[in-house]
Amino acid sequence: SYELTQPLSVSVALGQTARITCGGNNIGGKNVHWYQQKPGQAPVMVMYRDDNRPSGVPERFSGSNSGNTATLTISRAQAGDEADYYCQVWDSTTAVFGGGTKLTVL
Amino acid sequence: EVQLVESGGGLVQPGGSLRLSCAASGFTLSGYEMNWVRQAPGKGLEWVSYISRSGTTLYYADSVKGRFTISRDNAQNSLYLQMRSLRAEDTAVYFCARDGFGEFSFDYWGQGTLVIVSS
Repeated sequence: SYELTQPLSVSVALGQTARITCGGNNIGGKNVHWYQQKPGQAPVMVMYRDDNRPSGVPERFSGSNSGNTATLTISRAQAGDEADYYCQVWDSTTAVFGGGTKLTVL
Repeated sequence: EVQLVESGGGLVQPGGSLRLSCAASGFTLSGYEMNWVRQAPGKGLEWVSYISRSGTTLYYADSVKGRFTISRDNAQNSLYLQMRSLRAEDTAVYFCARDGFGEFSFDYWGQGTLVIVSS
């Protein structure tokens, strides 16, 4: 079965750039989607099909996907960006999530 | 405004059954594929099941195959998850989620309903 690997945690200074990676075998050949989840809340989509932002998601969020790594980049990080982030792909007949990355804004 | 509201969760004994519902509003359910995703306490997200717009194509995670059944009633704007032979490891918050882009992704999520499997 397909597996996605994310770092358990990423820290970023307020106003700086955070990069959250998602590793998978030839993930560049798949569409990668990203979700933000704050404590006690449902996940919210922040990126779809690698680098597309849903309506309402700030331009500070961007995505890329190539080779064996997809990346969610958050520029000018704010305190409100502190959350868990999950990457997700579809593999054959199954949706696969990464284990999640806790983003801390210092 | 798109809304998804789950219901039907609760405490159930191991081996028991439960039926979850997801009421959709603000959009026409028949136009979208739908999914169930769950999250065990303190854990990450786990996809559970997918249903096509017409309900003719169904997919399940290996962990629930043969025990869970996804279905929909487009006329009632409702999605369902029938869960049987429940195990302790099925304890989780269950979210229904819409695939708004046809990309096997999840653009809108409900707030979730908690299922606890325990004796």
